[in-house]
Amino acid sequence: SQELEQSPQSLIVQEGKNLTINCTSSKTLYGLYWYKQKYGEGLIFLMMLQKGGEEKSHEKITAKLDEKKQQSSLHITASQPSHAGIYLCGADMNNQGGKLIFGQGTELSVKP
Amino acid sequence: DAGVTQSPTHLIKTRGQQVTLRCSPKSGHDTVSWYQQALGQGPQFIFQYYEEEERQRGNFPDRFSGHQFPNYSSELNVNALLLGDSALYLCASTITLPGSNQPQHFGDGTRLSIL
Repeated sequence: SQELEQSPQSLIVQEGKNLTINCTSSKTLYGLYWYKQKYGEGLIFLMMLQKGGEEKSHEKITAKLDEKKQQSSLHITASQPSHAGIYLCGADMNNQGGKLIFGQGTELSVKP
Repeated sequence: DAGVTQSPTHLIKTRGQQVTLRCSPKSGHDTVSWYQQALGQGPQFIFQYYEEEERQRGNFPDRFSGHQFPNYSSELNVNALLLGDSALYLCASTITLPGSNQPQHFGDGTRLSIL
């Protein structure tokens, strides 16, 4: 089984709708990172969460970290076609600031 | 402010050949990591370089090797290429600060195809 599980694997939403993507770890999290990737391109850094209960927002995207549940969620409010892409969570599980373990990604499509 | 740059963008090789991929980190960054991303999967960590030394390594065979230069740029070398090495190779850079984790910033990758 994966060390980092994302759900759902894919998501199709109507423009203007809200959505949530979850990322659950099987190990202790020392840092949780959210990235967005367009097909075949590099990863764009969105947010970094390090402390339990931490919540960060950037434009219409909000990410939270639940340290006890070893889980993070990414919430998009009033989705737009520009939000479409693959969302990846990456985790530092050994507190050495190097190796990131990634989930398999959530593919988001936004229908106009 | 240039981000992480990788070259080449695409590469086609045959089985058994050797390949070198290159990466220039974002300005101000001193640490470079390499990841392999197969189609439909998340990136897998290959190794990380800091102060011209391999600091961490993932679960990849010795065919995968790297180097970091004094200007912080890095190379990934893969020997004896296998069909299974076909993937998007991503370089990520960050700055190492004692007691503080910093995010890794990624390049656009090199798409390697093995025939």
